[in-house]
Amino acid sequence: EIVLTQSPDFQSVTPKEKVTFTCRASQSIGTSLHWYQQKPDQSPKLLIKFASQSISGVPSRFSGSGSGTDFTLTINSLEAEDAATYYCHQSSSLPLTFGGGTKVEIK
Amino acid sequence: EVQLVESGGGLIQPGGSLRLSCAASGFTFSSYAMSWVRQSPGKGLEWVSLSASGNITYYADSVKGRLTISRDNSKNTLYLQMNSLRAEDTAVYYCARLDISSWYVDYWGQGTLVTVSS
Repeated sequence: EIVLTQSPDFQSVTPKEKVTFTCRASQSIGTSLHWYQQKPDQSPKLLIKFASQSISGVPSRFSGSGSGTDFTLTINSLEAEDAATYYCHQSSSLPLTFGGGTKVEIK
Repeated sequence: EVQLVESGGGLIQPGGSLRLSCAASGFTFSSYAMSWVRQSPGKGLEWVSLSASGNITYYADSVKGRLTISRDNSKNTLYLQMNSLRAEDTAVYYCARLDISSWYVDYWGQGTLVTVSS
């Protein structure tokens, strides 16, 4: 099973700040890594696919990078509506797995 | 517009059974692999099971032998039969569509809550 480790667990950020968090895979997964945003009492929403590919309708301040075992999600100029938990997810092999999440709080 | 609507959740005693349903619309259901993903209260996401074309199914080790995924392509509906339920199965269960070529989750339902408690 491929384990995804996200860091940090929690981040408190000021609006307009740039924020970056990471997802590390226990073995190489190429670019089969995807990012989701989950707001309280909502289902997750796809933000980035295949490590860096944008999704239609997702604001351009969200971007992703990485390959192999190390990946990052960056939010440029954070907005209040970005308060949420962010999860990474690998589709390289079964079982499908998710990271533990990074919760972003707005100061 | 892709829509996934789950139903069937509720309060069930340990050892009991429950069947979840997911009604899909807005896409050609039979062409896509589908999954159930669960989220325990205040916790992260856990993949549970997958159904692909050709009656292919996969399960997480934690549910193997107790949960059974199935689908009715004529009704555009995905199911999860849950037997021998345990307290640790308490979670919101999401129906999820998987990308047609790469099996990552591209759409999620709103979820249905299953609570296992006496």
